[in-house]
Amino acid sequence: DAKTTQPTSMDCAEGRAANLPCNHSTISGNEYVYWYRQIHSQGPQYIIHGLKNNETNEMASLIITEDRKSSTLILPHATLRDTAVYYCIVRSGGSNYKLTFGKGTLLTVNP
Amino acid sequence: EAGVVQSPRYKIIEKKQPVAFWCNPISGHNTLYWYRQNLGQGPELLIRYENEEAVDDSQLPKDRFSAERLKGVDSTLKIQPAELGDSAVYLCASSIQGAHTGELFFGEGSRLTVL
Repeated sequence: DAKTTQPTSMDCAEGRAANLPCNHSTISGNEYVYWYRQIHSQGPQYIIHGLKNNETNEMASLIITEDRKSSTLILPHATLRDTAVYYCIVRSGGSNYKLTFGKGTLLTVNP
Repeated sequence: EAGVVQSPRYKIIEKKQPVAFWCNPISGHNTLYWYRQNLGQGPELLIRYENEEAVDDSQLPKDRFSAERLKGVDSTLKIQPAELGDSAVYLCASSIQGAHTGELFFGEGSRLTVL
């Protein structure tokens, strides 16, 4: 699976949009981009995933560049409860749901 | 719907002692994972089960770690004997093989401290 690069930490003001970048320049055609987050003392939680089209759900939006070498997770209206480590993961398709986590980005939402 | 249940949440033991962690996955999830998470790091896969078969245990330190998933439901991860470096959070996750989203559901983890 392709490796990803994320900033170590980011800050965001409560109520504003949080934009978390991820570089995955070695991604191959059949690899998906997944985002998980981990709130302190909890297990990781799935947020969203995509292949090449932008995706949106009730939690977030995922914007994938046309060349698929990078993506951005957008939390439209960040709240204090969104403070967590966010992991960007590239995973090959198929039934092997092995996820390889990096260190992620610690997003701190400030009041 | 109940999530993935793990126990114990916390365990403190002295080195060379044995320890076991238990995981009950979400009902109907045939795939079960054990991950280890060291402080400040992302989770690392130890073993993956499809039903009762361990299909990926390449990262499991087999000299002291063992796991089982009897009847393809609950699973136990054991460490014997524990070493100082085994202090970590042990996470269990489950998923449905073939599910469209490929989403893994994680438990809250078992935090092990080895003294």
